[in-house]
Amino acid sequence: AQSVSQHNHHVILSEAASLELGCNYSYGGTVNLFWYVQYPGQHLQLLLKYFSGDPLVKGIKGFEAEFIKSKFSFNLRKPSVQWSDTAEYFCAVNANRDDKIIFGKGTRLHILP
Amino acid sequence: GAGVSQTPSNKVTEKGKYVELRCDPISGHTALYWYRQSLGQGPEFLIYFQGTGAADDSGLPNDRFFAVRPEGSVSTLKIQRTERGDSAVYLCASSLVPEETQYFGPGTRLLVL
Repeated sequence: AQSVSQHNHHVILSEAASLELGCNYSYGGTVNLFWYVQYPGQHLQLLLKYFSGDPLVKGIKGFEAEFIKSKFSFNLRKPSVQWSDTAEYFCAVNANRDDKIIFGKGTRLHILP
Repeated sequence: GAGVSQTPSNKVTEKGKYVELRCDPISGHTALYWYRQSLGQGPEFLIYFQGTGAADDSGLPNDRFFAVRPEGSVSTLKIQRTERGDSAVYLCASSLVPEETQYFGPGTRLLVL
């Protein structure tokens, strides 16, 4: 069965710090990978996605993620965070030709002004 | 509207009662998904519709849960004989076609007393 692990449950950073949130998945076949974000009081929004092609994916608001197939990883990065990045971040995967998305438990990111 | 909408936004009920949760997908989206998010967890897949039919209901926890999408647009998630453990945020998502990005609604927060 597919599963997603997010290593950090709660991350606190100061503004301008660099960010990397870890995500590993377990599935041996072809996968689609996602990062979703949920800002306080708002609903889940897609941050970026990987379906195929260049393993370095750029998303909205300066975020990027790199798919490393050999490590089953899809870590999220941002070189310089802002206070407005405070949110909960979810890594997710769906197996190719499958319909449901499997989510990780989420990482709460708190940026200190 | 431009996005997925869900009603009600909040629902408080008593143990043993019946509840219905409604989802209006993005216009033209053929695929519709229901997820459940418990406190401190990521969203968990419940059921997926392609058109009017339930293509995958493997995530429904038991036979108290049922969902319909009679005209291939609006969907209703129905929970019979609610239990306190059913308390969660119920999320709906839709996509243009099954393989495409899923867009999430704001969710219905269900509290069973």
